[in-house]
Amino acid sequence: DADVTQTPRNRITKTGKRIMLECSQTKGHDRMYWYRQDPGLGLRLIYYSFDVKDINKGEISDGYSVSRQAQAKFSLSLESAIPNQTALYFCATRAGTSVTDTQYFGPGTRLTVL
Amino acid sequence: GDSVTQMEGPVTLSEEAFLTINCTYTATGYPSLFWYVQYPGEGLQLLLKATKADDKGSNKGFEATYRKETTSFHLEKGSVQVSDSAVYFCALSDHNQGGKLIFGQGTELSVKP
Repeated sequence: DADVTQTPRNRITKTGKRIMLECSQTKGHDRMYWYRQDPGLGLRLIYYSFDVKDINKGEISDGYSVSRQAQAKFSLSLESAIPNQTALYFCATRAGTSVTDTQYFGPGTRLTVL
Repeated sequence: GDSVTQMEGPVTLSEEAFLTINCTYTATGYPSLFWYVQYPGEGLQLLLKATKADDKGSNKGFEATYRKETTSFHLEKGSVQVSDSAVYFCALSDHNQGGKLIFGQGTELSVKP
C-alpha cells in the first residue's frame, strides 16, 4: 500500500461549489504539506502543518483552507471553487525538522473547475 | 526570495544518449538541493539530493553535484533509457516556511527508442 494517499484522484466540479481533497499517510510523519502544480510553474505551497495544532499558510493560500484531523490526515478545502483553481494538487509529508529531510508525495488529485 | 531555474523543455533524446538538465538556484542561506522525478500519471519521487557544497547525489545512474560557486545542481546521466521519460524537477529546501520545497518549473524528458 502507498504511504501517502489522496482522494479523490480526479474531480470535476462547477464554479461556486465547495470541494474537499483528502490526504492520508502511514509514514508517521508530523509535517504535512499541500502543493499545487500548474503547467510551466512547478509546484507552489498552499498550506503546511507541523502537527495537529500547528497550521500555517504558504505562498498561495487565498481561496483555500485546511484541516489537520489527526497526525495522519490533512484535508484541503476550496470553499467556493473558481476556474483558476483548476490544477493538480499534491499532498506531501516530511519526517523531521531538518531541511535535508526528504518530502514524500502522494499521487495527486486532478481538479477541474468548470 | 529563494528561487530555482531549470532549462526549458521538452527535451527529446535517443536511447543511450547523454543527458544534462541544467538547474541554477538563488538562496540567501545554505539550502539542501533535490531532484524529483514525476512519471506519467504519478506523484513526485525523490531521485537524488545533496545537502552541502561539493556533495554529489546519485541514484539509478543519475548524478548531480552541489556547486556553490556557480549556484548550480545540474542533473546528468550517461546513457538514458526509454523508461527515463518523465518530468524532472529541481528543488531547494527553504529554512523559512517550515522547510518547504521551492521548485523549478520542471523539464519534460522524452526518450525515443
